[in-house]
This record gives sequence, structure tokens and C-alpha cells, in this order.
Amino acid sequence: DQQVKQNSPSLSVQEGRISILNCDYTNSMFDYFLWYKKYPAEGPTFLISISSIKDKNEDGRFTVFLNKSAKHLSLHIVPSQPGDSAVYFCAASAVQEGADGLTFGKGTHLIIQP
Amino acid sequence: NAGVTQTPKFRILKIGQSMTLQCAQDMNHNYMYWYRQDPGMGLKLIYYSVGAGITDKGEVPNGYNVSRSTTEDFPLRLELAAPSQTSVYFCASSYSGGGNTEAFFGQGTRLTVV
Repeated sequence: DQQVKQNSPSLSVQEGRISILNCDYTNSMFDYFLWYKKYPAEGPTFLISISSIKDKNEDGRFTVFLNKSAKHLSLHIVPSQPGDSAVYFCAASAVQEGADGLTFGKGTHLIIQP
Repeated sequence: NAGVTQTPKFRILKIGQSMTLQCAQDMNHNYMYWYRQDPGMGLKLIYYSVGAGITDKGEVPNGYNVSRSTTEDFPLRLELAAPSQTSVYFCASSYSGGGNTEAFFGQGTRLTVV
């Protein structure tokens, strides 16, 4: 049973436009959410995170929105650039429960078209 | 600053063989993790360690063993390789646990069991 779901295996966006990647979760104990970016043949790299006490966190071109009541978060990239083409993983953790490690979604392959 | 280093990058094993995947970090992180990523899937936690001498099981520990004799090293042992262990293995480390701090990943080890 997937606790973190990324229902879009791939997403194609034109360069300069906004990319929106979605993530849903089922475990109400999750209280910290992270996005990781992964290029082929490399390990994931941390992109941005958000605590459950917030509904928005922004870092440059990247913004993560959290809707706790809907158990949904999204990553906005604007404007999208060719170097943003990668697989994006949504991950979650139950920090208050003392959980160690992250629960990952299956990933969304973002393709930025020129 | 090397970060998290994994060796080897690629390996082909025959069924029943054993091997050790090496992982070393030079960031003095207490927490270290082993994840596996199957095709089209997210990363799943195999084992983790909160410090030297302490290890614990993750979501998918069967068929694997770990040890943590030093802060820097966290090797993963496969005793009797099976085709189901064909996967990409990622080692990661973080300053603290709980998922609310950035985890740094190695480049991965691609293992094929035939």
C-alpha cells in the first residue's frame, strides 16, 4: 500500500512555463515533506522541504504548497528551464513519531521542451 | 569534500553468490541509510543506522545485513543473492534523523543477479 503517491509518471512542459508536480499521501502521521531531484546515473539530491505547520515554502524558482486537509502537496517550478528535466521524488517522514528514514513516491519524470 | 561514496557502481552476481556494497561518508553524519530502487518505483528503506554500533531494519530488510563499526562506513551485505535483489542501491547520510534534515545520497550501485 503506497503511502506516498505520485500519480503522474511523466510530465512535459515548455521551457519558460510553469511546471506543477503533484503528490498525495495517506498517512496522517506524516509531518515533514521533501522533494528530491534525480538525474540519470546519479543519486537523488535535495530540492526543497516543508513542515506540516506551514502551507507554503519558497526557494528561488521552486515553491512547495501543502494542503493538509486534502493530504496533498505540489511543487511549482517557474520558469521551467532545460536543466530541470529530471525525475522528481516526493518524500515524507513522521518526525514527531520518531520515524527514521523517508517514505518515497514513485517519482515523476519532468521533461522540459525547448 | 566527497560527500557519500558508494562502491562498486555496477555489479553482476550469480544466484547464491554474496557481496558487500560499500558506503562511506566524510560529513561526520550520525545517520546513515540504505535504500533500494526498483524500476518505476520509489526508493524503499532497507536498513538504517543512528550511529556507530547501532543499526535497525527498514521497510524491506530481508536478505540483507548491515554493520556500522565507524561513523564513516555503513556496508550492506547480501549473503545469498536472488534475482529479486536486482535493483539500484543508494546509500545516504544525514546529520540527524526523522527526515526533517536533508539527506545526502551516493551515486548508487546497480546490481544485477542472474
